[in-house]
This record gives sequence, C-alpha cells and structure tokens, in this order.
Amino acid sequence: AQTVTQSQPEMSVQEAETVTLSCTYDTSESDYYLFWYKQPPSRQMILVIRQEAYKQQNATENRFSVNFQKAAKSFSLKISDSQLGDAAMYFCAYRNAGNMLTFGGGTRLMVKP
Amino acid sequence: DSGVTQTPKHLITATGQRVTLRCSPRSGDLSVYWYQQSLDQGLQFLIQYYNGEERAKGNILERFSAQQFPDLHSELNLSSLELGDSALYFCASSGAGLADNEQFFGPGTRLTVL
Repeated sequence: AQTVTQSQPEMSVQEAETVTLSCTYDTSESDYYLFWYKQPPSRQMILVIRQEAYKQQNATENRFSVNFQKAAKSFSLKISDSQLGDAAMYFCAYRNAGNMLTFGGGTRLMVKP
Repeated sequence: DSGVTQTPKHLITATGQRVTLRCSPRSGDLSVYWYQQSLDQGLQFLIQYYNGEERAKGNILERFSAQQFPDLHSELNLSSLELGDSALYFCASSGAGLADNEQFFGPGTRLTVL
C-alpha cells in the first residue's frame, strides 16, 4: 500500500516571500501521479498542481512549482511571492493506477502580512 | 465551482441512526469517489464507482455502503452511526478514461453525530 508523509504540520511565511512544503511517499509502482491540493477555510478541495511520475521536468503553475525527486520519493511544493490568499491546509496526494488518491496528513500554511 | 454537487451541506443526527449522503458528478463524468475527512484519520478514500459498478474499495466500514445509479449520481449510506463517524464527507468525480484524470471535488457534507 502506498503511504504519503507530510512532516511539517504547520508552516509560516511572510507575505511576498517563498515557502517550501515537504512531502515524501512510498510506493513500489513505477507509473503514478502526484498532486498538491489546497483546502482553504471553506473546506473546498482545490487542485494546485500535478506531476506525472514518468515526466522528469518539474511541474509549474504560475507561483507554484514542485521539486520532484523520483528516486528519493520526494515531492515538495514551492510557493513563490506568497499571498494572504495562500493561507490554507495543503495536502500532498498520490494517485495509483486505479485512480485512488492517498493523502498525506496535511500542512497548515500561515501567511503573515 | 467544481461542478460536483453534494447534499445536504450539513447533517446532524444521533448515534445509532442512519443517513444518506448524495452526490451528483460533473456532467459526463463516469467515476465517483467518496472520501472521509476526520480529525484523527485525515483524508481517507472510501470507495469508487465507475458507470454504476464498484471499482475500488478503501477503508470503508461495513456499516457504510454506497451505490451509483443509472443517472450516475451516487449515494453513501451510513448506518448505526457512532460518534467517531462525525466527519466531512467528500465526493469527487472524474472522466471516462483512467489515465491522467483529475478528480474534481464537491463541497462536502459535514456530518455531526451527537
């Protein structure tokens, strides 16, 4: 079974600064997808970014980028130019071939003005 | 708005009762997934349906059951409710193919068992 670990329960960043959220996973599969989801106080789950395991190039979506290290089974999220609206819970998720998502425990990101 | 709808938004009930949560997937999506988000267990996959058939099962209790109807909406039935069943229940849907399919999440149903 796959496991996803987010070792930082809480992180804090100053507005306009950069922050990196960590995620590691364990799997024996070679083909999979990784995701970062944002959950603001509204509790809606919002997809931030995704990475296909077969792609070596790190995914980027505007101010959000990932550092995908397949051999190390690491998938960190970098948020640049942090904004107040980035404050939320962030979940790392692994998707297997069966399309089932396994989530990490989450990291609460606080953004200081 | 993801296009996935869930009703009701909130549900308050007592231990031992039975409730039904409803989910309507995005138009055209054949797969429906149910997830439970609780304080102590985090976000957990419960069950997946694809075009009316059960496709995968996760950590779903025997007291819980689900189904997907011909119009593709899905219902999650929770029975003999316990205090620990209090959680946010999410439904998600995805498209016809299995590869590279984003799951779109509904707003969730918050269940409180008193």
